[in-house]
Amino acid sequence: QVQLQESGPGLVKPSGTLSLTCAVSGGSISSSNWWIWVRQPPGRGLEWIAEIYHSGTTNYSPSLKSRVTISVDKSKNQFSLKLSSVTAADTAVYYCGRVARTGDHFDSWGQGALVTVSS
Amino acid sequence: EIVLTQSPGTLSLSPGERATLSCRASQSVTSAYLAWYQQKPGQAPRLLIYGASSRATGIPDRFSGSGSGTDFTLTISRLEPEDFAVYYCQQYGGSPLYTFGQGTKLEI
Repeated sequence: QVQLQESGPGLVKPSGTLSLTCAVSGGSISSSNWWIWVRQPPGRGLEWIAEIYHSGTTNYSPSLKSRVTISVDKSKNQFSLKLSSVTAADTAVYYCGRVARTGDHFDSWGQGALVTVSS
Repeated sequence: EIVLTQSPGTLSLSPGERATLSCRASQSVTSAYLAWYQQKPGQAPRLLIYGASSRATGIPDRFSGSGSGTDFTLTISRLEPEDFAVYYCQQYGGSPLYTFGQGTKLEI
């Protein structure tokens, strides 16, 4: 069973860049799945950020596209998220996950990583 | 953008009762692309239902999904204590590719 684990700084300064990595174990990132990032501000709902295929093909949420980069490192079986020009509104728990092979829902999730934007 | 509106915002029930959660879309959603998740405090969401009515692996049969077009329902036939959580619907398609409802909190 695939497992995902987020890692990265828990505190980022305003105007800085948030960087997170998702390590995939128990399966290959080169499988026939897309991989995603979703975030959840404290006490609020879920927001999809971006997805990537092992080929490097990406899709982004239009609302975040100008600030987001998602990338994949097949040699390390992991994928990453960068979010630039962060503000307090970007404070959230960031989840990485796997898209099911049908391509429409998320069947595996990491435990989540809280990132706080504060000086 | 397809907006998903969940109702009620909070549902107060007791163990053993039946829960009916609603998810309404602002435009028609392909049934194959509607999913439900359960989230408990401090945990990641867990997939319950996909394709509007198919249970995910390991999900008890007291959970069922139904609906089509713009109206979808998650039903929990007999609530167990561990079912009290927040539930989200999610759809695929359009822009952005994936959107979630705002959630329904199921409380005792």
